[in-house]
Amino acid sequence: DAKTTQPTSMDCAEGRAANLPCNHSTISGNEYVYWYRQIHSQGPQYIIHGLKNNETNEMASLIITEDRKSSTLILPHATLRDTAVYYCIVRSRIYNQGGKLIFGQGTELSVKP
Amino acid sequence: GAVVSQHPSWVICKSGTSVKIECRSLDFQATTMFWYRQFPKQSLMLMATSNEGSKATYEQGVEKDKFLINHASLTLSTLTVTSAHPEDSSFYICSARETGANSPLHFGNGTRLTVT
Repeated sequence: DAKTTQPTSMDCAEGRAANLPCNHSTISGNEYVYWYRQIHSQGPQYIIHGLKNNETNEMASLIITEDRKSSTLILPHATLRDTAVYYCIVRSRIYNQGGKLIFGQGTELSVKP
Repeated sequence: GAVVSQHPSWVICKSGTSVKIECRSLDFQATTMFWYRQFPKQSLMLMATSNEGSKATYEQGVEKDKFLINHASLTLSTLTVTSAHPEDSSFYICSARETGANSPLHFGNGTRLTVT
């Protein structure tokens, strides 16, 4: 799976939008971009995923650049409970390649009052 | 939404004993489950891929005889840490994939293993 690059840490003020960037310049056409987050001492939580179009759900929005080499996860109104490590992962869309997720170091987001 | 239950949430055992961790998909069938390990302040490291009814596939550097994986049904996979040592103390997390090529993985809440 392609590697991703994320900033090690970010701060965000409560109530403001949190924009988390991810670089995946070697992504192939067969790979989706997935975002997960991990709150301390819990299992990762699925947030959103996309292939090439922008996606939105009740948790977040995902903006993928036209060349697919980078993406941004947007939490529109960050709360203190959004403090977590956020992982951007590319994953093969080909079923028989297993679908495993390989985690990088992620971005530690701190939402401050 | 899809729920993955992991049990126990924490366990303390003595060096040399074995510990079994269960991972269940509660409301979906999971032909494939994954086991991860996470040390403090580090990211998740994939240990093995577990397929229902067949042998698990281990990642490089993971001892298959030490970390026994059984995936006997479509809703249950188990990880047994055999002859545990203090260096096996870690946070073990399982995940399961719903049927469908692009279904997201869902994770359990992890098991904190402490070997004394």
